[in-house]
Amino acid sequence: DTAVSQTPKYLVTQMGNDKSIKCEQNLGHDTMYWYKQDSKKFLKIMFSYNNKELIINETVPNRFSPKSPDKAHLNLHINSLELGDSAVYFCASSHTSGGADTQYFGPGTRLTVL
Amino acid sequence: GENVEQHPSTLSVQEGDSAVIKCTYSDSASNYFPWYKQELGKGPQLIIDIRSNVGEKKDQRIAVTLNKTAKHFSLHITETQPEDSAVYFCASLGFQKLVFGTGTRLLVSP
Repeated sequence: DTAVSQTPKYLVTQMGNDKSIKCEQNLGHDTMYWYKQDSKKFLKIMFSYNNKELIINETVPNRFSPKSPDKAHLNLHINSLELGDSAVYFCASSHTSGGADTQYFGPGTRLTVL
Repeated sequence: GENVEQHPSTLSVQEGDSAVIKCTYSDSASNYFPWYKQELGKGPQLIIDIRSNVGEKKDQRIAVTLNKTAKHFSLHITETQPEDSAVYFCASLGFQKLVFGTGTRLLVSP
């Protein structure tokens, strides 16, 4: 009965590789997010989708490409991984867009780029 | 854009003491201020939030106060317990997105 789930939980890869992280929510929410948490625990939004449409795209390198095949799924594909991409990536969802709704976070994916 | 500062970065208290974490924000148009708790190895979880039309909100041992004039808001935890140990984040609503503070690591010693 997990609300927001992410796979994989851990991802270790070499520089230059391409990898994907998957997220699914079973809360029936319209809005989903990707956040990046760096080694100092700083949490910053990367993307937000509402009903499969991109509504927030922060200044993220275009090596990062989100895809939302349906309301319940939001995936993150990263091309040509760099050392600085190492972080914990959190998926989240909320009932509506706009930001003033409770956001439910997944357990995170710890990405390590060697 | 919105900027949120959070203090202190670490806070150690004895079980039963109170803990206070403070945040300031820059965007005077912001009207929603949630607090999230992140336990080790888990995602952040909302513990309380406050909107700009109220100055204080309480939920059992947790309370949040908001001073819109000074652009300050604070989290108060009373009668702390070891299970309150975690990283706490304040946030402010910028344009359609939450801007998070830098986090406070709270350690409650038995």
